[in-house]
Amino acid sequence: DGGITQSPKYLFRKEGQNVTLSCEQNLNHDAMYWYRQDPGQGLRLIYYSQIVNDFQKGDIAEGYSVSREKKESFPLTVTSAQKNPTAFYLCASTTVVKLGNTIYFGEGSWLTVV
Amino acid sequence: KQEVTQIPAALSVPEGENLVLNCSFTDSAIYNLQWFRQDPGKGLTSLLLIQSSQREQTSGRLNASLDKSSGRSTLYIAASQPGDSATYLCACGKAAGNKLTFGGGTRVLVKP
Repeated sequence: DGGITQSPKYLFRKEGQNVTLSCEQNLNHDAMYWYRQDPGQGLRLIYYSQIVNDFQKGDIAEGYSVSREKKESFPLTVTSAQKNPTAFYLCASTTVVKLGNTIYFGEGSWLTVV
Repeated sequence: KQEVTQIPAALSVPEGENLVLNCSFTDSAIYNLQWFRQDPGKGLTSLLLIQSSQREQTSGRLNASLDKSSGRSTLYIAASQPGDSATYLCACGKAAGNKLTFGGGTRVLVKP
């Protein structure tokens, strides 16, 4: 089935450690996004990419990094510089061929600092 | 900077009652507005997408309206069912990058 796969579902990070969240899509979408959701709140944009080998910062990019080496993959690294990383992370994708198309989300990854 | 607000944050209704969910935004220069459903601990599922040139969209029991001049959108869910219990989020889209600005969501509980 076509869709977006995020892994792992649950991840624990120790202080000073970098962790990477995986996002893979087989929808042949050009654009991919990473959002952060804190409990009881809406989503905030971390990074997005409209084409391979190119990406832009969103509203809360500090302490995060991404890469887009393949169209299907858009991993997010939460670095030690992110002081409050505990949150629910959502990856999404859509086609940019026709702006305003429906955006599809993965099932999310929970990150907790221990 | 676009700000999106959803009030109330939570809503409880008896089964069969119609649901009315509100979304307001500060910048009327939007490309589209989308409504999403989120079940606990899950990702988001798109319900309806309204382009900026449209006034409303309908899908089954769901109807969403858009009034750009007043900065408001409303999602109507007819004859609510317990399975409609979830958090509903609205988001305004900008043309550049197809980026979305989300509201905080309204958590809905439909009681049998």
